[in-house]
Amino acid sequence: EVQLVESGGGLVQPGGSLRLSCAASGFTFSSYAMHWVRQAPGKGLEYVSAISSNGGSTYYANSVKGRFTISRDNSKNTLYLQMGSLRAEDMAVYYCARVRGSSGHYYFDYWGQGTLVTVSS
Amino acid sequence: AIRMTQSPSSFSASTGDRVTITCRASQGISSYLAWYQQKPGKAPKLLIYAASTLQSGVPSRFSGSGSGTDFTLTISCLQSEDFATYYCQQYYSYPPSTFGQGTKLEIK
Repeated sequence: EVQLVESGGGLVQPGGSLRLSCAASGFTFSSYAMHWVRQAPGKGLEYVSAISSNGGSTYYANSVKGRFTISRDNSKNTLYLQMGSLRAEDMAVYYCARVRGSSGHYYFDYWGQGTLVTVSS
Repeated sequence: AIRMTQSPSSFSASTGDRVTITCRASQGISSYLAWYQQKPGKAPKLLIYAASTLQSGVPSRFSGSGSGTDFTLTISCLQSEDFATYYCQQYYSYPPSTFGQGTKLEIK
């Protein structure tokens, strides 16, 4: 059974840092690109960041570029999101998601349960 | 980035109703469209991909159609567990893929 379990969320002050983790199981983690998607309270889904299966390629939404870093450790089946210079508008539930598809066209077939990041003084 | 617009943003219906949600892309996306269902406090769940392909385990009362810029999600006979928020997602242009703003389906 595919499982994605996020952790690392919590309360952080504006300007602070936090590292999220997503532990994967039930599939060959190193064969899949992975993503982070967030959802602010009462709002819709926002694409945050993506990383290729071997970690060689990454993508960031403009809203987080230069402040967030996505990475992965395929030996530990774990995805990470290092978040820095956090702002009030970064407050959201952060989901990790596995992609399916081919030839540059990918949708999300499995999602974690999410971890809440609260940015407040 | 490609903009996805869903309509309506919210509406109410009754158990047993047939309902349709529309998603429009700001440019052609072929059939690279997915639909997700999200219940309060839960992660999104994939329902349909490639505009009309049902994800394994999803009830057959859900169906999708469309290509190019206009797409629909239809629920043929609403069940109580179907009251949720639905999102469309284009994955023609990737990254980023983009989501619609969501359609909240409530009980009448």
